[in-house]
Amino acid sequence: SAVISQKPSRDICQRGTSLTIQCQVDSQVTMMFWYRQQPGQSLTLIATANQGSEATYESGFVIDKFPISRPNLTFSTLTVSNMSPEDSSIYLCSVAGDVMNTEAFFGQGTRLTVV
Amino acid sequence: GENVEQHPSTLSVQEGDSAVIKCTYSDSASNYFPWYKQELGKRPQLIIDIRSNVGEKKDQRIAVTLNKTAKHFSLHITETQPEDSAVYFCAASITWTSYGKLTFGQGTILTVHP
Repeated sequence: SAVISQKPSRDICQRGTSLTIQCQVDSQVTMMFWYRQQPGQSLTLIATANQGSEATYESGFVIDKFPISRPNLTFSTLTVSNMSPEDSSIYLCSVAGDVMNTEAFFGQGTRLTVV
Repeated sequence: GENVEQHPSTLSVQEGDSAVIKCTYSDSASNYFPWYKQELGKRPQLIIDIRSNVGEKKDQRIAVTLNKTAKHFSLHITETQPEDSAVYFCAASITWTSYGKLTFGQGTILTVHP
């Protein structure tokens, strides 16, 4: 199984500012994912972070709002830009092993409150 | 894209009863169906999963069934205990194109009363 460290675990931010969330994995993984979990809701995929190429965004999410970096096979960042109260959510990173071992593991999440 | 519907949204049972949560998916190409348990303030944790070449899988008190023709799968928890109280999410994935990429159902809040 993969051990994922995500930070910060929580933050309170002013509207209009940006927050960068970090995700560190204890092993090299090809696929890394970023999800958003709005209060009391399910998980929605924001994007797939690909090492060495641009992230692939899901419908409703754009790079200008959620820029993602993936500098190597163990690390990724998600930035929430120009925040508004509607961005208040839990953001989780996730990784999976490989095509034969597809269990997805999650970081502990970043609880973001925008005031 | 894939769409996963989950029912019920809330489920309340007495300790020792069984609980059943049902999900349907839309994309017939989906071939991997995990179930996650999320306790309050914690990350989702995989409790059981099933692949499309299997109709049923069991792990102690937890079982999952899959009907590919009808495109639905279900989680069965027997002899429920108060510590089973949590939010349960089903999910679907197409592993050969994007393993690890999950589409989640809306979640079921399970409450087990002592």
